[in-house]
Amino acid sequence: AQTVTQSQPEMSVQEAETVTLSCTYDTSESNYYLFWYKQPPSRQMILVIRQEAYKQQNATENRFSVNFQKAAKSFSLKISDSQLGDTAMYFCAFMKPNTGNQFYFGTGTSLTVIP
Amino acid sequence: DVKVTQSSRYLVKRTGEKVFLECVQDMDHENMFWYRQDPGLGLRLIYFSYDVKMKEKGDIPEGYSVSREKKERFSLILESASTNQTSMYLCASSSNRYSYTEAFFGQGTRLTVV
Repeated sequence: AQTVTQSQPEMSVQEAETVTLSCTYDTSESNYYLFWYKQPPSRQMILVIRQEAYKQQNATENRFSVNFQKAAKSFSLKISDSQLGDTAMYFCAFMKPNTGNQFYFGTGTSLTVIP
Repeated sequence: DVKVTQSSRYLVKRTGEKVFLECVQDMDHENMFWYRQDPGLGLRLIYFSYDVKMKEKGDIPEGYSVSREKKERFSLILESASTNQTSMYLCASSSNRYSYTEAFFGQGTRLTVV
């Protein structure tokens, strides 16, 4: 089974500052997909960003970007210009193709943006 | 707008009751999943399904069963609810096993077994 580790159970950041959430994973696969999901207090999980392992370029989505280090099996999420609406639980997820697209999730990082 | 709908946001059931959690998606997705979310444990896969009438066990299937009679609907069944099944349950769907897209989630059902 794949394992996904998020070592920071809780984090906080001042509004407008930058914060980085860490994620590491363990796999012997060479081709896979990585995701960051956000779960705000409303509970609806929504996709923040995705990365395909065969792409060397780090994915970006507006204020969200990743630092994907394939050799180190690391996939961190950087949130720039943090906003109050970024307060949420963030989950890192791994998906291995051709296994029915099962998703393996980390334990989550609770991020609080402080006004 | 894509949508995964879970029938209840909150449920309170008694120990020993048979409990049905319903999930419907309107995206014509082939894959559907049931996860359980507990603090400090993240999301754990209970069951998933690639197609109508098929199912596969996830990491924690004990005490649960599922049903998928129609493509858009995936039901999670607790045959005899126990207090250790008190948790948040999340349903998700994704396109199919060959296209590598993200999963879309429902809003979750918080189940309390008393």
